[in-house]
Amino acid sequence: QPVLTQSSSASASLGSSVKLTCTLSSGHSSYIIAWHQQQPGKAPRYLMKLEGSGSYNKGSGVPDRFSGSSSGADRYLTISNLQSEDEADYYCETWDSNTRVFGGGTKLTVL
Amino acid sequence: EVQLVESGGGLVKPGGSLRLSCAASGFTFSSYSMNWVRQAPGKGLEWVSSISSSSSYIYYADSVKGRFTISRDNAKNSLYLQMNSLRAEDTAVYYCARVSFSAGTGYWGQGTLVTVSS
Repeated sequence: QPVLTQSSSASASLGSSVKLTCTLSSGHSSYIIAWHQQQPGKAPRYLMKLEGSGSYNKGSGVPDRFSGSSSGADRYLTISNLQSEDEADYYCETWDSNTRVFGGGTKLTVL
Repeated sequence: EVQLVESGGGLVKPGGSLRLSCAASGFTFSSYSMNWVRQAPGKGLEWVSSISSSSSYIYYADSVKGRFTISRDNAKNSLYLQMNSLRAEDTAVYYCARVSFSAGTGYWGQGTLVTVSS
């Protein structure tokens, strides 16, 4: 089954941009993933579906500041013009024939 | 508006049982696969179980296989998770989620806390 690897933490300044990475394990580089955001004390929120081609579909209400891209086995979430409310944990998710898998999550700090 | 509302969480002793429910509204429930995902205190998200739209396909994480049973009632727009032989390591917030990779849509409930402790 696929394994998703994420950095445990990231930080960026208010108003700047940040690019978070989710890496698919060997043999799974073509897999589609989803990105989710979890603000402190809240339930997760679906952000987008991201394909290996770099094509992405955002969930309803997700700001234009959020975008996705791909390169090989890497799936990226870019957040532009960082706001304080973007400080959150970000998880990637994928699925295989009979299982779903989450990455360990990246804690984003907005400085 | 899509809504997923979990209920049934609480404090239970090790070895005990609990049944979680998820009430769905705002979409055609019978058309979508559904999932349970949990999050232990201070930890990341962990997939627990999935069920297809007509209950034909059911999958479990190895950590809960043989102890948990997922089910759904499409007439009642409800998803369930029967949890037996509970262990301390099952302590977590349990979320009901509809994440469709084909449709590119996703929704989460607010979660329900399950605490397994003597």
